[in-house]
Amino acid sequence: SAVISQKPSRDICQRGTSLTIQCQVDSQVTMMFWYRQQPGQSLTLIATANQGSEATYESGFVIDKFPISRPNLTFSTLTVSNMSPEDSSIYLCSVERAGNYEQYFGPGTRLTVT
Amino acid sequence: GQQVMQIPQYQHVQEGEDFTTYCNSSTTLSNIQWYKQRPGGHPVFLIQLVKSGEVKKQKRLTFQFGEAKKNSSLHITATQTTDVGTYFCAGFGGGGNKLTFGTGTQLKVEL
Repeated sequence: SAVISQKPSRDICQRGTSLTIQCQVDSQVTMMFWYRQQPGQSLTLIATANQGSEATYESGFVIDKFPISRPNLTFSTLTVSNMSPEDSSIYLCSVERAGNYEQYFGPGTRLTVT
Repeated sequence: GQQVMQIPQYQHVQEGEDFTTYCNSSTTLSNIQWYKQRPGGHPVFLIQLVKSGEVKKQKRLTFQFGEAKKNSSLHITATQTTDVGTYFCAGFGGGGNKLTFGTGTQLKVEL
């Protein structure tokens, strides 16, 4: 498995502002992912973040709104830009161990936009 | 795009009763994974099934992958209060390289 931490664990932000969420892993991993989960709902993949290349975004998510950085094999950030109340959600990062497709999730960041 | 549906959406059982959740994909999967998310927690990996018709057991949990690799099930025997949470299946495949999560089944266990 992997030990994953996320900062902040929660935040309340005003509309129009931006928040950067950090994800730190205790060992080097190739694949990192960012998900969004509305309360009581399933997980929706935002993007895949690979070190040394631009993130790959899923349909409905764009780089201008959710810029992602992946400076090394143990760290990634997701920024939620120009926030609106519709961005209120839990944001989760996850990692995949090379070759086995199993994903391990961080504790999540609960974001409320007012 | 690929869709993964689960039924039921909710299940409320008495402790000791059995529980089953079913997972159906709109496309053929290369593998299927199951995750458990406790209330207020994050998804935790349980198991991965790869082969057609595969059955795996973890203590009271039995996981099955359909012959056509488009459906799966999770059966819990004699539920306990520690089984409370939402169970997600997640499918990998359909030509893509990402995991698509199912809609989830929320299990509540009453004493």
